[in-house]
Amino acid sequence: KAGVTQTPRYLIKTRGQQVTLSCSPISGHRSVSWYQQTPGQGLQFLFEYFSETQRNKGNFPGRFSGRQFSNSRSEMNVSTLELGDSALYLCASSPRTDYEQYFGPGTRLTVT
Amino acid sequence: GQQVMQIPQYQHVQEGEDFTTYCNSSTTLSNIQWYKQRPGGHPVFLIQLVKSGEVKKQKRLTFQFGEAKKNSSLHITATQTTDVGTYFCAGKMEYGNKLVFGAGTILRVKS
Repeated sequence: KAGVTQTPRYLIKTRGQQVTLSCSPISGHRSVSWYQQTPGQGLQFLFEYFSETQRNKGNFPGRFSGRQFSNSRSEMNVSTLELGDSALYLCASSPRTDYEQYFGPGTRLTVT
Repeated sequence: GQQVMQIPQYQHVQEGEDFTTYCNSSTTLSNIQWYKQRPGGHPVFLIQLVKSGEVKKQKRLTFQFGEAKKNSSLHITATQTTDVGTYFCAGKMEYGNKLVFGAGTILRVKS
């Protein structure tokens, strides 16, 4: 089975711009979660989707949003980018919401 | 808020020495998962513990879940250079159903 794929792998944006990141889960996985990883804050949970519905949300501002499509692929969007949004954004898929997570390689976002 | 504290933050060991990382939750967990992230890589699932007092082994790795389901540990016997990386615990909160990651323990092994 192919693993979790994320596109793009690297991205450079300017403050104030917006960005959309994409995640394709493992075939058959219906749960997709997004995490922000930074050296200082570790792995911070953004949100989780299951069957196109947001099941859980972390403590991030409304600039961070996401969605899941009927084929379980997911996107996350960050509007009005800030310097502090520079991070590795990881997507993880799971067969169910309480099973182990399979992480993708991440998208490295740099905001200048 | 719901937190999972993980210690130590860093551990440098000589190859062949043992290593342990500990996780403590402020609230009861329905399960706890452990992940390993190699430098430059992404977290990879190691194991999940569900039952109170559960102990599981994977070769040189021993995982424990506390009786109160609020703490857990990962012990590596006779570390090798291939064990280098960051080890994360992630607790599934009993209420709210969120998976909360600890800050991770960075393991460095000197050969």
